[in-house]
Amino acid sequence: GDSVTQMEGPVTLSEEAFLTINCTYTATGYPSLFWYVQYPGEGLQLLLKATKADDKGSNKGFEATYRKETTSFHLEKGSVQVSDSAVYFCALRRGGSYIPTFGRGTSLIVHP
Amino acid sequence: KAGVTQTPRYLIKTRGQQVTLSCSPISGHRSVSWYQQTPGQGLQFLFEYFSETQRNKGNFPGRFSGRQFSNSRSEMNVSTLELGDSALYLCASSIGRDRGYEQYFGPGTRLTVT
Repeated sequence: GDSVTQMEGPVTLSEEAFLTINCTYTATGYPSLFWYVQYPGEGLQLLLKATKADDKGSNKGFEATYRKETTSFHLEKGSVQVSDSAVYFCALRRGGSYIPTFGRGTSLIVHP
Repeated sequence: KAGVTQTPRYLIKTRGQQVTLSCSPISGHRSVSWYQQTPGQGLQFLFEYFSETQRNKGNFPGRFSGRQFSNSRSEMNVSTLELGDSALYLCASSIGRDRGYEQYFGPGTRLTVT
């Protein structure tokens, strides 16, 4: 079945550091790929998405590129802020007849 | 546009009772999915409804059920509550294929079973 593997956290960084959160997936075909973010006490928010190979999703300084050859969708940000502290989820969906698949989430802690 | 709303936000129930949670999707979204989130198991898919029909179902016992109404609002029901049902229950709505199945989540209902 489909699966998503994320690096385990927590990831602890100082403000203005470079962020990478790794995400690899297993799925046949060309699923849509997503990053969601969850702030404490809230539901998940869509951060960015990519729907075909080599697409780059971007939002709020975050970027991720759909790499079919390595089945990866790593999240990056050039300079993190304290306000980026949250849990980040990588997810995929192959289509309407398939259930969405989420990774376990990676906690990011950014210190001033 | 208003976001996804869930009611109630917090709920405390006793083992053996049943509970109904409600979700109102974003206007125009016909798909509603439900998830259970716990620290130990992470985010687990319960079921998805599209145009009042259950389209997909996760691996949960029959005590968990749901439905969707003609206005796309959805409810999920858990009968004979167990301590392990304590969790954050999240609802998400989606337009579907036209937007690559991206989902918009509500704030969740925190269920505590004592």
